Amino acid sequence: DAGVIQSPRHEVTEMGQEVTLRCKPISGHNSLFWYRQTMMRGLELLIYFNNNVPIDDSGMPEDRFSAKMPNASFSTLKIQPSEPRDSAVYFCASSREPTDTQYFGPGTRLTVL
Amino acid sequence: GEDVEQSLFLSVREGDSSVINCTYTDSSSTYLYWYKQEPGAGLQLLTYIFSNMDMKQDQRLTVLLNKKDKHLSLRIADTQTGDSAIYFCAESSGGSNYKLTFGKGTLLTVNP
Repeated sequence: DAGVIQSPRHEVTEMGQEVTLRCKPISGHNSLFWYRQTMMRGLELLIYFNNNVPIDDSGMPEDRFSAKMPNASFSTLKIQPSEPRDSAVYFCASSREPTDTQYFGPGTRLTVL
Repeated sequence: GEDVEQSLFLSVREGDSSVINCTYTDSSSTYLYWYKQEPGAGLQLLTYIFSNMDMKQDQRLTVLLNKKDKHLSLRIADTQTGDSAIYFCAESSGGSNYKLTFGKGTLLTVNP
């Protein structure tokens, strides 16, 4: 079984550019989570979807961040415009049910110059 | 709010046991987890324990939970160089069990 798939694995962009991160959850999982990992703040939950519907976006830093889940097998996290402080590793995770074990993807390392 | 604390570094010799400790504040935590992160990789679930359990053993891994003191530990027996990684403790918040609160991670270095 394939795990959670994320793309790209690495992204380097310049300040002001739009960045789109992609995630394919494990088939059959109805919950999807986006996390951000930085040295200073550790792992933070950005947004959580259940059955493709955003349930909790309280962790989204500001309006520059948006996330969508158009269907059960695909989600995007978009940053527009990007800023250097957005540099981090962004993880997507999925679980069979909201309170079940979360399985993480390999992450996207984002560098904003 | 909920908080999870871990020591940042642990160094052991190959073959010794490693004990990684974690404290948490949310008394209504339902599940507590240990994840492993190798360099450049995502988080891999190692094990978890339900809050009404005291201990769970899985091959070389032993998890101990002291609910009264809100203390969780992960013991790795016969530590190998391949165990070198960052280990994260996480708890699922009582009211929103989907929400995992992570510690900052403990970097385990295994010396030959």
